[in-house]
Amino acid sequence: SQTIHQWPATLVQPVGSPLSLECTVEGTSNPNLYWYRQAAGRGLQLLFYSVGIGQISSEVPQNLSASRPQDRQFILSSKKLLLSDSGFYLCAWSRTQPYEQYFGPGTRLTVT
Amino acid sequence: EDKVVQSPLSLVVHEGDTVTLNCSYEVTNFRSLLWYKQEKKAPTFLFMLTSSGIEKKSGRLSSILDKKELFSILNITATQTGDSAVYLCAVINNAGNMLTFGGGTRLMVKP
Repeated sequence: SQTIHQWPATLVQPVGSPLSLECTVEGTSNPNLYWYRQAAGRGLQLLFYSVGIGQISSEVPQNLSASRPQDRQFILSSKKLLLSDSGFYLCAWSRTQPYEQYFGPGTRLTVT
Repeated sequence: EDKVVQSPLSLVVHEGDTVTLNCSYEVTNFRSLLWYKQEKKAPTFLFMLTSSGIEKKSGRLSSILDKKELFSILNITATQTGDSAVYLCAVINNAGNMLTFGGGTRLMVKP
């Protein structure tokens, strides 16, 4: 069976500091991978998705970036965090078909 | 711009009640509609609906899609306190790479 891991689970970072969140998937190969952000009390916003190694599509312009160095690894980064980057970050994976997405446990980021 | 709207925003019921959650959408290249349940952490997958009029059922939960009127409903019968959560509706595009979420319905089931 497939599992998806995210770490860290929680993170408190000062404004201007860098960020690196990691997501890995087990039990499948060549998954589609996604990063979402959920602000408090709001819906999920798609940030990035990837259909293969080194292939990243960005949905929202911002100071975040994503990379996929290996087939089942997806990394969300920032060089300098803003207060508005606080939120709940979720990684998800899907097969190419039938496309339903499965979410990791999430990282709660607080920028102070 | 693709849009998914859920109603009501929140709902408080008592155990044993039946609830209906609504999801309407305006999407350019519709493929499927998905329902998720989100408790404290990550959303968990409930249903994926692709064809109109075919009910999907899992225990006390069921859902149906109307592609002509562009909406879906999620029904929960005989609600329990464990059903308390935010229910999210999302629409996936034809390419399968874009999931647009609604804002969610927060359901609270009181004992």
